[in-house]
This record gives sequence, structure tokens and C-alpha cells, in this order.
Amino acid sequence: GAVVSQHPSRVICKSGTSVKIECRSLDFQATTMFWYRQFPKQSLMLMATSNEGSKATYEQGVEKDKFLINHASLTLSTLTVTSAHPEDSSFYICSARTGTGIDGYTFGSGTRLTVV
Amino acid sequence: KNEVEQSPQNLTAQEGEFITINCSYSVGISALHWLQQHPGGGIVSLFMLSSGKKKHGRLIATINIQEKHSSLHITASHPRDSAVYICAVRRSNQFYFGTGTSLTVIP
Repeated sequence: GAVVSQHPSRVICKSGTSVKIECRSLDFQATTMFWYRQFPKQSLMLMATSNEGSKATYEQGVEKDKFLINHASLTLSTLTVTSAHPEDSSFYICSARTGTGIDGYTFGSGTRLTVV
Repeated sequence: KNEVEQSPQNLTAQEGEFITINCSYSVGISALHWLQQHPGGGIVSLFMLSSGKKKHGRLIATINIQEKHSSLHITASHPRDSAVYICAVRRSNQFYFGTGTSLTVIP
């Protein structure tokens, strides 16, 4: 089945630095990728939707200059957390549309970001 | 009010017990997903449903579109089933997630 590989699974970084999270579609072309964030004991919340070759669409309240999303190819989308702050510590996960119909979505395994 | 409500929020069971987790939603949907999130955070998609029932091993998922309700059942539960189970409904390209049910299975 369609697989999305997300890397890294865990990352610890210092305040002020930038961190890049990658999601790769391994056996399909992901024209649309979704990025979610999950705070402790809360639901996953959609941050942005990225379409290959175009600018990402950000949800209300998500700073596009802080969370840079690049979807330059059909198999790779990246989320870069810039000038990371401890408040950015969270679980980030991507989801890709694999095609049409009921089975048309798959999730990455997630990235646990800790900013110290 | 959340678009997706799960119950219970927390569940502790003895090994071997039959477990049911419920999900109710308030929006029209294209599909419903059951996800499993382990303590390390990684998420695995268990089922995707638009009608009826699906079974995979000891896991069974059902959905009633008219009642806007889905259940996830685990038969002969095992400690390795301990995880957070998340119900997510999809409307067009937008997912709405429940807050999850934290399951602990005691040996």
C-alpha cells in the first residue's frame, strides 16, 4: 500500500535554530500533503495544506513565516520550523492524498520536536 | 463543540477482555478513519470506512452513516494493544480528529 516516510521521528533543538521535517511518498505521487500538529492531550490540528508546485495554504492562526512548507516535487514535502521556541515543542505529522476514493489518504509516522 | 467526540477518554482493561471505543460525529463525511498512536507518538492507520464493517485480525470497525456513529472493537485484548486510538472523519480533503481514547491493557 501507499507509504509516507516521515523523518526524523524525534528531534531536539536549541531555541533560535531551525528544524526541517521531511515527508516522502515512497510508492506514489503525493500531489497534496497535509501537515498537522498535536499538543499534549489534544487532537491533531491541521496547520497547512500543500500542493506540489504551489504555495501552501495555511490555517488561521498558523504563522506562515515561522512554519515554512515546501512541496517542490511529487514525492517530497518539507516543514521547516524557523527560529524555534520552546512553545513550538509538539508532535508534527504529515498526511498525503494517495488518490481518489475511500482509501485515498495515508499518514506519516510523526515527528516529536522538543525545543530546549 | 468538537465535530468528533470519542468515548471513553480513558480505558483500562484486563488482558483478554473485549473492548469497545465509540466515535460520534456531527458533520457529513466522505470517510471515517481509526488511527492508533503509540506512546512514542507514531501513528498507524487501522481502518478507513465509508459504510458497514471491516475486520483485521482482532480489530473490528463498524460505521452507521445514518446515526453518524462508529465503533472500534478489540477482541481478546493484549498489553501490546495499549495505545491511544483516534477517530478521524474526513470531509472532502479536511480531516476532523477526536481527542483520542487512551487504552491500557493490564496483563
